[in-house]
Amino acid sequence: QVHLVESGGGVVQPGRSLRLSCAASGFTFSTYPMHWVRQAPGKGLDWVAVISYDGTNKYYADSVKGRFTISRDDSKNTVYLQMNSLRPQDTAVYFCARDPGFCSGTSCYIYWFFDVWGRGTPVTVSS
Amino acid sequence: EIVLTQSPGTLSLSPGERATLSCRASQSVTSNYLAWYQQKPGQAPRLLIYGASSRATGIPDRFSGSGSGTDFTLTISRLEPEDFAVYYCQQYANSPRYAFGQGTKLEIK
Repeated sequence: QVHLVESGGGVVQPGRSLRLSCAASGFTFSTYPMHWVRQAPGKGLDWVAVISYDGTNKYYADSVKGRFTISRDDSKNTVYLQMNSLRPQDTAVYFCARDPGFCSGTSCYIYWFFDVWGRGTPVTVSS
Repeated sequence: EIVLTQSPGTLSLSPGERATLSCRASQSVTSNYLAWYQQKPGQAPRLLIYGASSRATGIPDRFSGSGSGTDFTLTISRLEPEDFAVYYCQQYANSPRYAFGQGTKLEIK
């Protein structure tokens, strides 16, 4: 069965850092792009970042660019989100999500929708 | 920049009724790259529909998606108790390629 399990959330003061992890199982992790999507309390879904299947391409929402870094370790079937200089408005549940991806010829691409989601890890930024 | 607007904000219906949820884009969605997600309280979103009308794996056939261009619809033919949730549309063709609608809450009448 396909599973994504996030961890690493918690309560942190403004300006501090936190690293989230998302462990994948049940599929060939190294062949899929992976995203982080967040949801502030009582609000809608807000995309954060994506990493391509091979880690060469990374894209970020403007709101986190320069502060957050997405990475992956295929030997551990895990995607990470390093969050620095945290702000109160970063308070949210952070979900990791799988992108189905697609390949055309010898090139593979991010599809930009989310076919499997984890249950999320909450992050609270407060003094 | 494409903006998705969902309507209504809240839809109150009874089990067994038909639900029709709308998602309107501010510009045409290329190749009908439009997805729908269901989210229940305290749970992760679940992919229902992609490509405007293709059901994701394991999704019951009472869920259907339709539309093209700027107007898309999610229809639930006969509501089951477990269908009451928040539904989001998302387009993945145009910049920004991750734009979500604001959601429609489907509640029990």
